[in-house]
Amino acid sequence: SQELEQSPQSLIVQEGKNLTINCTSSKTLYGLYWYKQKYGEGLIFLMMLQKGGEEKSHEKITAKLDEKKQQSSLHITASQPSHAGIYLCGAVSGGSNYKLTFGKGTLLTVNP
Amino acid sequence: NAGVTQTPKFQVLKTGQSMTLQCAQDMNHEYMSWYRQDPGMGLRLIHYSVGAGITDQGEVPNGYNVSRSTTEDFPLRLLSAAPSQTSVYFCASSYDRVGKLFFGSGTQLSVL
Repeated sequence: SQELEQSPQSLIVQEGKNLTINCTSSKTLYGLYWYKQKYGEGLIFLMMLQKGGEEKSHEKITAKLDEKKQQSSLHITASQPSHAGIYLCGAVSGGSNYKLTFGKGTLLTVNP
Repeated sequence: NAGVTQTPKFQVLKTGQSMTLQCAQDMNHEYMSWYRQDPGMGLRLIHYSVGAGITDQGEVPNGYNVSRSTTEDFPLRLLSAAPSQTSVYFCASSYDRVGKLFFGSGTQLSVL
């Protein structure tokens, strides 16, 4: 089965700093999805990347897909306390379009 | 729009009891799924459905049953609760691609 490794597991940054979260797949990526989860809540969809080299941005969050490295990165510019939460990457399991596998998540804390 | 609604939000069971976690969506989504989230294990897929009358197993289906009699509802049944089923359960739905999921707010289940 496909495994997604996220790094780092947790991250503490000062407000205003930039940061990057990585997600590496053990198998070929057929699409990579980023979600955010606030404590005690469900996941919120952030972005979907489908093609190698694809880059998408939403507000101050940018995600990029490196198909050859089977890796995606999520970059936050000028972090704010509202960015705090758990960021999870997800990918469709090879051979099945209906099973979305998630990484274990990266816990981001942004100190004011 | 209510989105994806899960009930109850909290539940405590005794070992051996049975119960049903409810999930309903009002977005006319064909795809629905159940995940459990455990510390250190991340999100794991229990069961999913690609439409009314069609269900299939995910990564950790043992001890759980599902049915999909309508597009809107996708209940998850615990047949005989065990302490290992203590977890936070999330229901999710999607309208076009399995990766872009809309999540409910979760059910926190404790089995004593």
